[in-house]
Amino acid sequence: GQNIDQPTEMTATEGAIVQINCTYQTSGFNGLFWYQQHAGEAPTFLSYNVLDGLEEKGRFSSFLSRSKGYSYLLLKELQMKDSASYLCAVRGGAGKSTFGDGTTLTVKP
Amino acid sequence: SAVISQKPSRDICQRGTSLTIQCQVDSQVTMMFWYRQQPGQSLTLIATANQGSEATYESGFVIDKFPISRPNLTFSTLTVSNMSPEDSSIYLCSVEAAGTGPGELFFGEGSRLTVL
Repeated sequence: GQNIDQPTEMTATEGAIVQINCTYQTSGFNGLFWYQQHAGEAPTFLSYNVLDGLEEKGRFSSFLSRSKGYSYLLLKELQMKDSASYLCAVRGGAGKSTFGDGTTLTVKP
Repeated sequence: SAVISQKPSRDICQRGTSLTIQCQVDSQVTMMFWYRQQPGQSLTLIATANQGSEATYESGFVIDKFPISRPNLTFSTLTVSNMSPEDSSIYLCSVEAAGTGPGELFFGEGSRLTVL
């Protein structure tokens, strides 16, 4: 089975940096994804890691350590619009993705 | 990428009735999934919609309650049968399509069902 853990809530200040952690235990691994979901909207893709290391994409970076079952999403230069839920998802066998419960990030001025 | 249209976007239903949700994709896709997102919670996979064969259901979900059709590579339906208030949720159609990375999921806007 799949077990994915991430913090429930985080708060940060506009302009700051925030790191959202995700740990996972899975029976299969074909990549780890981060999605952003604003209230009342569908999730949208942010980042993807399949190999160990850091993937950078503008203000967003994601890190993966497969041996530790650990990932983080790093958001820099936070903006008010970054207030959203951030979902960690592991793609396993048969192309199925399992999602963590999500981390609700609140950015304050 | 993929653009997904789902309907209805929302509905209020009576206990014991059934509702069918439609999902239309603007391109042919192999992998199509149905997720449920209950209020304040994350996404739970209901089933994988397989073209030309029966859907593959996850633990806790059964075909009698959530029958799924996938007549072609661009369309699928999910029916929520004999609804109860516990079925009040957002139901999301999702497809795996070419994007930034393999396995990236694209989602429809969701169908918000309220069962009275």
